[in-house]
Amino acid sequence: DAGVIQSPRHEVTEMGQEVTLRCKPISGHNSLFWYRQTMMRGLELLIYFNNNVPIDDSGMPEDRFSAKMPNASFSTLKIQPSEPRDSAVYFCASGDRDTDTQYFGPGTRLTVL
Amino acid sequence: GENVEQHPSTLSVQEGDSAVIKCTYSDSASNYFPWYKQELGKRPQLIIDIRSNVGEKKDQRIAVTLNKTAKHFSLHITETQPEDSAVYFCAASISGNTPLVFGKGTRLSVIA
Repeated sequence: DAGVIQSPRHEVTEMGQEVTLRCKPISGHNSLFWYRQTMMRGLELLIYFNNNVPIDDSGMPEDRFSAKMPNASFSTLKIQPSEPRDSAVYFCASGDRDTDTQYFGPGTRLTVL
Repeated sequence: GENVEQHPSTLSVQEGDSAVIKCTYSDSASNYFPWYKQELGKRPQLIIDIRSNVGEKKDQRIAVTLNKTAKHFSLHITETQPEDSAVYFCAASISGNTPLVFGKGTRLSVIA
């Protein structure tokens, strides 16, 4: 049984470029969360979906960030244009309604030069 | 919104000793309190959680206590081993299927 899958695992890009992070949640899970981890701010929620519908995007830093979940098995987080301060590890987590717990993916380490 | 405070930020213990990490939260609506362990370069992994209808939960060397009146919860690790060395995060939320608000983490070092 595969866990949460994220791609790419590492991304290095230059300021101003578009970045797309991808997540495949665990099959059967009904919620999906995007978190960001930095040394300064720790782990913080960006956005979460329930049954593919965005419920809370109050953590999205600004209009440069957008997220979609077109179906139950795929979500993207896009940054356009990227800035050096976006450098962080971005985690996707999927939530299981039955066990009422969240499981994290391996993360994408983003470096914006 | 919810605010979670975690102490201490760093903790060093001798192998075999116990380690205790404490967290407080602000939102009385929170009912779910998980603890995650994160090793360097890895994902946060759920090690134990507690819900507001119980006061204590134990799983082998790990135990968690919850005091809803005082809004604090703690992680206890007994008989620590070098492989327990990691960063531990507490979190709070309404349920396990809603956004988690994390503490800033505790870096635990177990010295052999």
